[in-house]
Amino acid sequence: GAVVSQHPSRVICKSGTSVKIECRSLDFQATTMFWYRQFPKKSLMLMATSNEGSKATYEQGVEKDKFLINHASLTLSTLTVTSAHPEDSSFYICSAQRGFGNQPQHFGDGTRLSIL
Amino acid sequence: GDSVTQMEGPVTLSEEAFLTINCTYTATGYPSLFWYVQYPGEGLQLLLKATKADDKGSNKGFEATYRKETTSFHLEKGSVQVSDSAVYFCAQTTGGGADGLTFGKGTHLIIQP
Repeated sequence: GAVVSQHPSRVICKSGTSVKIECRSLDFQATTMFWYRQFPKKSLMLMATSNEGSKATYEQGVEKDKFLINHASLTLSTLTVTSAHPEDSSFYICSAQRGFGNQPQHFGDGTRLSIL
Repeated sequence: GDSVTQMEGPVTLSEEAFLTINCTYTATGYPSLFWYVQYPGEGLQLLLKATKADDKGSNKGFEATYRKETTSFHLEKGSVQVSDSAVYFCAQTTGGGADGLTFGKGTHLIIQP
C-alpha cells in the first residue's frame, strides 16, 4: 500500500529552538497533505491542510506564524515549529492524499516532540 | 462545530467474541465517515469508509453502516482475533467540502486468547 514517511520520529530540544518535521509520500504524488496534532488521551486535531505550490490553510486557533508549513513538491511537506515552547510538546502526525474528494489519506508514523 | 464521539476504552474481549465499537458524529453537512486502525508500533491505516447514508463499509471482517437518522457509524466484527488488538479511530471529513478529518479519541481494543 501507499507509504508515507515522517521524520524525525522523536525529537527533544530546548525551549526557543525551531524544529522541522518532514513528511514524504514515497510511492505516490500527494496533491494534498495534512498536519494533525494529538494531545495525550485526546483525538487527533487537524492543524492545517497544504496543497502543493500554494499556501497552507490553517484551522481556527492554529497560529500560522508558529507552525510554518511548506509543501514545495508533490512528495514533500514540512512543518516547522518556530521558537518552540514546552506547551508545543505533542505528537504531530502528517497524512498525504492522492487527488481530492474521497481519496483516502495515508498517515505517517508521527513525530513525538518534547520541548524542555 | 463538527465532532466525533466514540466509546472510551480499553475494551477487552475474548477471542471469537462479537465486537461493537460505537461512534456518533455531529455535522452540519454530509460528511464521509471512516474507521482507522493503529496497530502497536505502526501508523494509522484506513480500515473502512462510507461516503453517503446507508452505505456499508467493510474490510477484514469489520463492517460499519452510515446511519444518517441516528448519526452513527458503529464498527462491528462477528468474531475477533488476537491480531485485531489495536486502537480504532472513528473519523469524519470536516465541513465545507474540505478533506481534512475530525477524529474521535480512539478506542483501545484488547483481545485475549
